[in-house]
Amino acid sequence: DTEVTQTPKHLVMGMTNKKSLKCEQHMGHRAMYWYKQKAKKPPELMFVYSYEKLSINESVPSRFSPECPNSSLLNLHLHALQPEDSALYLCASSQSGTSYYEQFFGPGTRLTVL
Amino acid sequence: SQQGEEDPQALSIQEGENATMNCSYKTSINNLQWYRQNSGRGLVHLILIRSNEREKHSGRLRVTLDTSKKSSSLLITASRAADTASYFCATDKETSGSRLTFGEGTQLTVNP
Repeated sequence: DTEVTQTPKHLVMGMTNKKSLKCEQHMGHRAMYWYKQKAKKPPELMFVYSYEKLSINESVPSRFSPECPNSSLLNLHLHALQPEDSALYLCASSQSGTSYYEQFFGPGTRLTVL
Repeated sequence: SQQGEEDPQALSIQEGENATMNCSYKTSINNLQWYRQNSGRGLVHLILIRSNEREKHSGRLRVTLDTSKKSSSLLITASRAADTASYFCATDKETSGSRLTFGEGTQLTVNP
């Protein structure tokens, strides 16, 4: 199984809502990533988990809260978002948290903040 | 600042032609990767080339890396309509091996 799954596919939320994005992989990968991608732009790294520990936080606002319950799951908790946070949120995984390995991406969650 | 920059920003060719995309970067790297993204979907890994390699092939794809010029190119031969997508190079930094920074991407359109 070389698939990374993400749910939901689409999410519309108000600025006062709390929601979560979920990501799952069963490839035995020990590194998982969250990226944010705006239209016609490249993905921008948000967070990296390596061996279930947060290893990189790219100065992401605290309204985004990542969680890695186990080595197969990655969540992104959203609270009090702004309309400019509307984007495609991509999850990825790799064998380990170095650039020596390719990253496998999920299909993304299209988030709209009203 | 962005580690990788690509040109052209957009490329339109006919089926059967070859497509070449270029990527330049600023600092020394360990590896360079190329990814493809179909519209609004996840990225698919194409090729990883290490800093001590100069050329790599995978099917119809050929990647070159010139570390002295800090540049890489992706060649797709005998293109097909299904190759229509955005193509991104992604680089790490020699001193920071876990972050990938993506270039701005090249939008390739292959016309039937």
